[in-house]
Amino acid sequence: AQSVAQPEDQVNVAEGNPLTVKCTYSVSGNPYLFWYVQYPNRGLQFLLKYITGDNLVKGSYGFEAEFNKSQTSFHLKKPSALVSDSALYFCAVRDYGDKLIFGTGTRLQVFP
Amino acid sequence: DTEVTQTPKHLVMGMTNKKSLKCEQHMGHRAMYWYKQKAKKPPELMFVYSYEKLSINESVPSRFSPECPNSSLLNLHLHALQPEDSALYLCASCPDGNSGNTIYFGEGSWLTVV
Repeated sequence: AQSVAQPEDQVNVAEGNPLTVKCTYSVSGNPYLFWYVQYPNRGLQFLLKYITGDNLVKGSYGFEAEFNKSQTSFHLKKPSALVSDSALYFCAVRDYGDKLIFGTGTRLQVFP
Repeated sequence: DTEVTQTPKHLVMGMTNKKSLKCEQHMGHRAMYWYKQKAKKPPELMFVYSYEKLSINESVPSRFSPECPNSSLLNLHLHALQPEDSALYLCASCPDGNSGNTIYFGEGSWLTVV
């Protein structure tokens, strides 16, 4: 079965510093990987996805993610964090039968 | 436009009540989903409709009853719920079941069962 893991429950970073939120995956076949963000008391917003092609994927709000097949990782990155980036981030993989399987989530806290 | 609209935003219901959550999208998407999310946890899939037919039921208790009246609408009928069913219920849609397509979520309906 397809799965993703987010090893960090929380990531703290100072505003203006680069940020990384980690995700590793376990899939059979080609991975279809996604990142979503959830602001407090809101639904999930799509950030970016990897389907095929370039390993560096650019998404919304200045976020990008690097697909690394050898390390089975799909880490989310941003060169300069904003306080407004503070939210809950979910990595997900598309499973067979139309399912989206989520990681446990990582809470990003950006301090002024 | 990638908007999925859910109503109501908040619902409080007693354990003997019958209520419904509604979801609407006008993007021409042919797959629609219900997810349940407890606080600080990832969303859990409940149901999937594909081309207006129920394709996945993740062993959800029968007190939750989904309905897809047409390709734009998805309802979740609620009856005899328990307090532990209190959660954020998220509706989502996708162009179709192709694994590369993005699934778009609504803002959710906050349900409290008293």
